[in-house]
Amino acid sequence: ILNVEQSPQSLHVQEGDSTNFTCSFPSSNFYALHWYRWETAKSPEALFVMTLNGDEKKKGRISATLNTKEGYSYLYIKGSQPEDSATYLCAFYNTDKLIFGTGTRLQVFP
Amino acid sequence: GAGVSQSPSNKVTEKGKDVELRCDPISGHTALYWYRQSLGQGLEFLIYFQGNSAPDKSGLPSDRFSAERTGGSVSTLTIQRTQQEDSAVYLCASSAAGLLYEQYFGPGTRLTVT
Repeated sequence: ILNVEQSPQSLHVQEGDSTNFTCSFPSSNFYALHWYRWETAKSPEALFVMTLNGDEKKKGRISATLNTKEGYSYLYIKGSQPEDSATYLCAFYNTDKLIFGTGTRLQVFP
Repeated sequence: GAGVSQSPSNKVTEKGKDVELRCDPISGHTALYWYRQSLGQGLEFLIYFQGNSAPDKSGLPSDRFSAERTGGSVSTLTIQRTQQEDSAVYLCASSAAGLLYEQYFGPGTRLTVT
């Protein structure tokens, strides 16, 4: 069984703090790693799709890195804002399916 | 342009009845995906279509579940003889090509089996 693990499960930070969380995935048969942001009562929204070892991607204050050899990806949020509050999901592309982690629930307090 | 749409948005059905959930992907997207989120659980991958064919159906929870896609566009997920454990939010997504591309999700169908 292929496991995608995310940590921490939940995170509470103050507005303005920077934060990061981890996605661990199998290091063999890697095709791609996806990151999504899922706000309550909305649909998941794509952040990044990462395919190459050493990839770094950035969207505004959010960035992600990828290490396929050791099987992990980090998501960073710089200067968190209350509107960043959401669950952040990673998903590992394996053969013909995406395997999602259970997510990191981020809450940013004003 | 229009995003992914799903219908119905909510469905309440009695145990044992069949239900059909519909997904309209973004125009031009060749890949379409179905997911399920049960209460307190993460996103569960059900099936993926590339065009009209599904390379891997092993994610479907049981043989009561089936999915089809016709004309490379609309997809239906059918659940026969629904059970209470089928209650969940069913999400559909589409992408420009396959799993190397970001997915755009629909609003979901909340299914409640009583």
